[in-house]
Amino acid sequence: EIVLTQSPGTLSLSPGERATLSCRASQSVSSNFLAWYQHKPGQGPRLLIYSASARATGIPDRFSGSGSGTDFTLTISRLEPEDFAVYYCQQYGSSPPITFGQGTRLEIK
Amino acid sequence: QVQLQESGPGLVKPSETLSLTCAVSGSSVTNIFCWGWFRQSPGKGLEWIGSIYHNARTYYHTSLQSRVNISLDTSKNQFSLQLTSMTAADTAMYYCARCRVGAGPRYSDYWGQGTLVTVSS
Repeated sequence: EIVLTQSPGTLSLSPGERATLSCRASQSVSSNFLAWYQHKPGQGPRLLIYSASARATGIPDRFSGSGSGTDFTLTISRLEPEDFAVYYCQQYGSSPPITFGQGTRLEIK
Repeated sequence: QVQLQESGPGLVKPSETLSLTCAVSGSSVTNIFCWGWFRQSPGKGLEWIGSIYHNARTYYHTSLQSRVNISLDTSKNQFSLQLTSMTAADTAMYYCARCRVGAGPRYSDYWGQGTLVTVSS
């Protein structure tokens, strides 16, 4: 089972700033099959990125994904107030099982 | 627009079986997708429970495999989760989702809002 480690655990930034979130895998993720989700209280997770860098339908272009192998990054170029949430990475290259990182909380500074 | 809605009991007694249903609209459970269940325990991250393909093939997390069953109801366009021998460790928010298919379940593009299940006597 691939273990995903996200860093930092909490990121404190202001609207307008750039956010960089990291996801590191315990072994190489096949075909770079890695997704990113945004999760807010009271809602289901929202798919942002799949296949490491492909934006899901309707996702603003301030969200971008990059990386390959074991190191992946989610970048939010200019934070909007609605972007403050918890973000999870998920791998499906060695599915099953699907595995998630422990999450990064993005909070307003 | 694809929508998913979980339903089921909010409270389950220890040792009992949890039964949850996910009603799907805007997409047919017989289309080439998979349908999955996930959960999030208090203060923890997301955990995959299992998924069922449009052809009824199932995949389960090995840690839950002996207790879980996921099934499709094509007549009602919904799918269900049964989890037996519930304990306090199974207290969590449970989510259903539509997933993309491959050699195994892939990413999930639509999610329900979740339903809270508490295990207590």
